[in-house]
Amino acid sequence: KNQVEQSPQSLIILEGKNCTLQCNYTVSPFSNLRWYKQDTGRGPVSLTIMTFSENTKSNGRYTATLDADTKQSSLHITASQLSDSASYICVVSPRSGYALNFGKGTSLLVTP
Amino acid sequence: DTGVSQDPRHKITKRGQNVTFRCDPISEHNRLYWYRQTLGQGPEFLTYFQNEAQLEKSRLLSDRFSAERPKGSFSTLEIQRTEQGDSAMYLCASSLYPGVERGASSTGELFFGEGSRLTVL
Repeated sequence: KNQVEQSPQSLIILEGKNCTLQCNYTVSPFSNLRWYKQDTGRGPVSLTIMTFSENTKSNGRYTATLDADTKQSSLHITASQLSDSASYICVVSPRSGYALNFGKGTSLLVTP
Repeated sequence: DTGVSQDPRHKITKRGQNVTFRCDPISEHNRLYWYRQTLGQGPEFLTYFQNEAQLEKSRLLSDRFSAERPKGSFSTLEIQRTEQGDSAMYLCASSLYPGVERGASSTGELFFGEGSRLTVL
């Protein structure tokens, strides 16, 4: 069973609207949680990285939140732009070891 | 460009042929990872190096797959006798370990290349 589950699987929103993507994980204990943006046919690019002691981290119009007690994270995108259309992947790093646990991603489509 | 670079970006080959991908990591990064990604899935770990040492290999990495990082800089991933099931995006990533961000045993910020897309006919 995947230790990182993302929802929704896909999402379509109108340009200018806000949206929130969810990530639930079971990795424990964990070191940090990352959100990546992956454009079609490209490699993932880091958006935010949060340690277990952080609750929120912003990067421009992207704001990630983390609740380590419930093992949930969200990525909120404000005032979406067409260029936000991509897959957003949640990645959880365990406290020990090298292995990163990747979610399957949420595919976001922003339409005019 | 000082990011992670991969070559070739696209490769189409016939079943049974051998293919080799190259990855040049960020120069000061000591860790290098290979991942495989199929459509609609997140990246799956294949193997990683710390400097020139290959420290871990996934069970996904069958004996047809071999990876090297001979001088602790660039790495190659070779697939022998390719099969149609090998069709995927092969991603390389590098990081500086230990990472500078807070948190015990941090794996370091991971920087990905643009990937090498393999199509096996």
